[in-house]
Amino acid sequence: SAVISQKPSRDICQRGTSLTIQCQVDSQVTMMFWYRQQPGQSLTLIATANQGSEATYESGFVIDKFPISRPNLTFSTLTVSNMSPEDSSIYLCSVERQRNTEAFFGQGTRLTVV
Amino acid sequence: TQLLEQSPQFLSIQEGENLTVYCNSSSVFSSLQWYRQEPGEGPVLLVTVVTGGEVKKLKRLTFQFGDARKDSSLHITAAQPGDTGLYLCAGAFHGQNFVFGPGTRLSVLP
Repeated sequence: SAVISQKPSRDICQRGTSLTIQCQVDSQVTMMFWYRQQPGQSLTLIATANQGSEATYESGFVIDKFPISRPNLTFSTLTVSNMSPEDSSIYLCSVERQRNTEAFFGQGTRLTVV
Repeated sequence: TQLLEQSPQFLSIQEGENLTVYCNSSSVFSSLQWYRQEPGEGPVLLVTVVTGGEVKKLKRLTFQFGDARKDSSLHITAAQPGDTGLYLCAGAFHGQNFVFGPGTRLSVLP
């Protein structure tokens, strides 16, 4: 298993500002991901956080808007930049020990942009 | 892009009733997972199915994987209020990241 701690659990932010979300895992993991879950909807993969190199972004997501850091195998951050109300969502960190095996999730960060 | 469909989208039932939710795709899964997500929490894995025709049971939950590995079902017997949550299927396609379905939001009323 893996225990994932995400901070903050929720925040209300002004439009135009940026928020950095932290994800801490209790053990080293190779594969770490960031998802977005809009109210009442499913999970959409934003990017794969790669240790020591640039993140791999999915279609529709760009580094300038969602910069990601992965300094080591237990920690990652996702920044939501220049926020607008459309960015209001739940952001989830996830890890897998091996590809396409069980995904473990943090409790999520509920972001509201006003 | 692989797409998953889930049905029904919403389901509200009384405690003690049985229910089945479905997940399907036009593509063949290399494996499929079912997760349950409760409010304010991340999804938690319930089961992984890999082999076509596979049936797995987890207490009152029965999971089936279609013979062609394009569909799956989750059956809950004698539902309880604690079963309330968002049920997500997630399909793995060879060499690609998971794709999550849109989810079935279940509400079990006491």
